[in-house]
Amino acid sequence: LAKTTQPISMDSYEGQEVNITCSHNNIATNDYITWYQQFPSQGPRFIIQGYKTKVTNEVASLFIPADRKSSTLSLPRVSLSDTAVYYCLVPTSGTYKYIFGTGTRLKVLA
Amino acid sequence: DTGVSQDPRHKITKRGQNVTFRCDPISEHNRLYWYRQTLGQGPEFLTYFQNEAQLEKSRLLSDRFSAERPKGSFSTLEIQRTEQGDSAMYLCASSLGRRANSPLHFGNGTRLTVT
Repeated sequence: LAKTTQPISMDSYEGQEVNITCSHNNIATNDYITWYQQFPSQGPRFIIQGYKTKVTNEVASLFIPADRKSSTLSLPRVSLSDTAVYYCLVPTSGTYKYIFGTGTRLKVLA
Repeated sequence: DTGVSQDPRHKITKRGQNVTFRCDPISEHNRLYWYRQTLGQGPEFLTYFQNEAQLEKSRLLSDRFSAERPKGSFSTLEIQRTEQGDSAMYLCASSLGRRANSPLHFGNGTRLTVT
C-alpha cells in the first residue's frame, strides 16, 4: 500500500500559486520526501526533495512541518504547461523501495 | 548524463507471445527499478536491483514476469505468454545508491499493447 495520501485532483488558474499537500504519517526518521511531476506518456520527473523546514529550487518550494508527517509542494504562478499529475514519495521503511499513490491531478485553466 | 533510456518505446504483440524490454540506466547509478503503469493510476512497483542483485520482487507479479541485470548495468524485463491484462506502460528508473534518498530518474517507458 502507498505510504502517502494526496488529494486526487485540483484545478487552478494561470498565474495563481498552487499548494498540494501530502500526508505521510509513518515516515521514518532518516527518510526524505520527494515530489515528482508526470505528463501523459512520459515517466515521472523529479521536482524537489526535502527533509525538514523549507526547500526551494527554480521550479517549486517544499514545506515540511516539524513533525514531518506531511509536506506541501508549492508551485508559484502556474501556467497551462504545469497541468500534470504530481506525486509525493517516501521510501518504504528500511528499504529503497518506493510505492506510488494515485497522485494529484492538477489542471491549470486559462 | 544522457538520462534513462528504454527500448522499444512501443510494442504491440499478440496474446501468448513473449516480449522483452530493455532499460539503460544513467551510468554509475547502481539501483534500477521497474514499474508498471495503467491509465489513471500511479506507477506500480514491480522489482528493483542494487547492482546485479535483485533485492525485491512484487508479490503481485506473476511468474510470467522476469527481470535481469546481468552485469549491474542495463536491465531486461521479460513477459512470457502475454495476456491482455499486461497492456500497460512499463517504466524503468535508476538512482545513485551511494547517496541515501537519492531521487529516482525515470525513462519515458515502453508502452505494451497486447491484442
